[in-house]
Amino acid sequence: EVQVLESGGGLVQPGGSLRLSCAASGFTFSNYAMAWVRQAPGKGLEWVTGISASGNKPYYADSVKGRFTASRDNSKSTLYLQMNSLRAEDTAVYYCAKQRGNYGVLGFDYWGQGTLVTVSS
Amino acid sequence: QSVLTQPPSVSAASGQKVTISCSGSSSNIGNNHVSWYQQLPGTAPKLLIYDNNNRPSGIPDRFSGSKSGTSATLGITGLQTGDEAVYYCGTWDSSLSAWLFGGGTKLTVL
Repeated sequence: EVQVLESGGGLVQPGGSLRLSCAASGFTFSNYAMAWVRQAPGKGLEWVTGISASGNKPYYADSVKGRFTASRDNSKSTLYLQMNSLRAEDTAVYYCAKQRGNYGVLGFDYWGQGTLVTVSS
Repeated sequence: QSVLTQPPSVSAASGQKVTISCSGSSSNIGNNHVSWYQQLPGTAPKLLIYDNNNRPSGIPDRFSGSKSGTSATLGITGLQTGDEAVYYCGTWDSSLSAWLFGGGTKLTVL
């Protein structure tokens, strides 16, 4: 059974940093692109970043470019999101999602339950 | 405002059919596959349709997808109260090198 499980969310002050992790199981992690998608309270889905199966050249939404860094460790079947210079508008549930192919152009077939990040003083 | 445009809400009676539209451009829907997601209240999104018109295993054939030019449509027949959810379309944008979601459509089953 495919599972993706996020961790690392919490309360952080504006300007602070947080690192999210996503542990995957039930599929060959190194064969698939992965992504982070967030959802602010009461709002729609917003793609944050996607990273190919090999881990090179992640893509980022303009809203997080230069502040967030996606990476993956295929030996540990784990996806990461390093979030720096956090702002109030980054407050959201962050979902980890498996993509259907090894690059980021195909849809998301499995989603985690999400981890809440709250940026507030 | 989302690059992919969806109606904010749709409604129909139980047992009836509804369609949800998703409008984009040549850099996204026009040249890439569209997928649709269902988000029930308080839960994570779930893949309903991939590659424009394909259903993952376990998704009933009451759900269908189509694409024409720069627009896509999700159809749901035999509406049930359990279908009440927010539905999102999504696709890759080749110009932006970014994945896009529509703003979401809230379905109400009367």
